[in-house]
Parts: sequence; structure tokens; C-alpha cells
Amino acid sequence: KAGVTQTPRYLIKTRGQQVTLSCSPISGHRSVSWYQQTPGQGLQFLFEYFSETQRNKGNFPGRFSGRQFSNSRSEMNVSTLELGDSALYLCASSQGEGQNQPQHFGDGTRLSIL
Amino acid sequence: DQQVKQNSPSLSVQEGRISILNCDYTNSMFDYFLWYKKYPAEGPTFLISISSIKDKNEDGRFTVFLNKSAKHLSLHIVPSQPGDSAVYFCAASDRNFNKFYFGSGTKLNVKP
Repeated sequence: KAGVTQTPRYLIKTRGQQVTLSCSPISGHRSVSWYQQTPGQGLQFLFEYFSETQRNKGNFPGRFSGRQFSNSRSEMNVSTLELGDSALYLCASSQGEGQNQPQHFGDGTRLSIL
Repeated sequence: DQQVKQNSPSLSVQEGRISILNCDYTNSMFDYFLWYKKYPAEGPTFLISISSIKDKNEDGRFTVFLNKSAKHLSLHIVPSQPGDSAVYFCAASDRNFNKFYFGSGTKLNVKP
């Protein structure tokens, strides 16, 4: 079974631009969550999508948004980029319902803001 | 307010000895707990989990202990190997299994 795939792996942007990151979950997984990891920080939860609906949201400004498609693939968008948005963005998928199941992570997108 | 805490940012252990990584949580609604391992430039990899109905789960060299009254869990690695050197995150989820809360991680260094 293919794992969680995130594209691109690396991205360089400048302040004020916007960016879209992509995540393809493990086949059959319907829940996709996004996390931000900065140096010295844990994984900060951004939001979770299940069946094309945002089910949970973390404490991030409205510049951070996302969506999920009918095939469970998800995109995350950050508008008006700031220097502090430089981070590793991780996507995780899980079945999303039923018994306890772990999330499985992609390798992340490293976003650098100049 | 951080609901899952790992108070030790780093831990150094000699090869062959036991590594004990600790994690505390504040939300009594959490009923599923996990440990992840993360190498540089890779995403976290699921290691082991435990449900709140258990107090111990073992998988090879890895054992997770859960103390619900103390809201504390720990990961024991015995014997530790240099390849275990990584950042370890503990995580917890609520009853709806929809949202996972992560600690800030503990960097384990296993010295040969």
C-alpha cells in the first residue's frame, strides 16, 4: 500500500505570496489532518478533513485554509505569507472512524519564506 | 494550552541500556495514546499505541505504559540501539478519534 504523499517536498516563497500544498492519503483513508512543525515546537494542529468537510480546526489565522476532494486528496493554502510561516507542513491520514487507528504521516513539505 | 506535554527535550542513553521517554496529558477525555518516531527530513512514523482500557502494551523492544490516574504515559526501549536515535513524539486523541494532540517531542541519542 502506498503511503501518504505530499507535494512538493520543498518550496521557497516570498512574503505576501500565497502557496498551495498537496496531500494524497493512503488508499481507503478518509480523514486527512494538517500539522505545522517549527524548530523546537511540536506538531501544531491546523485542521482535519473528513469526507470533504472540515471536521476540526486548530488555532491558526484565517490565512490558513484547506479543502478535501471526493477522492480524499487534500490541499492546504496559505495566503499573504509571513516570515513566521516558514515551517515543515505535515499531512497525516487515517480511516477516520470506527476503532482507534493511528494517523500515518507523509514526509512533509518544507516551506521557506524569504 | 498544551494538552500533551513532553518535558524532556532531549535524552542521551548508552547502547544496550534502557531508554525511558515520558509524556503527560491534561485531558481526561483522551482514550487513545500513541508514540511516533521521527528522523530528520522524514515524516513521523507510528511506533506503538495503547488504549485507555489497558495499562501496558508491548511490541518487541518497545513497551508503552499508561497511568491514567497520573495522566502519564511512558515509552520504554530495551535494549536501546544507535538506530533508535530520533525525535519521539507522544500523541493522544479524544473519544471521537478525530483530533490528535502531540507533545513537543524528545530527542533521543543512543551512544554506541
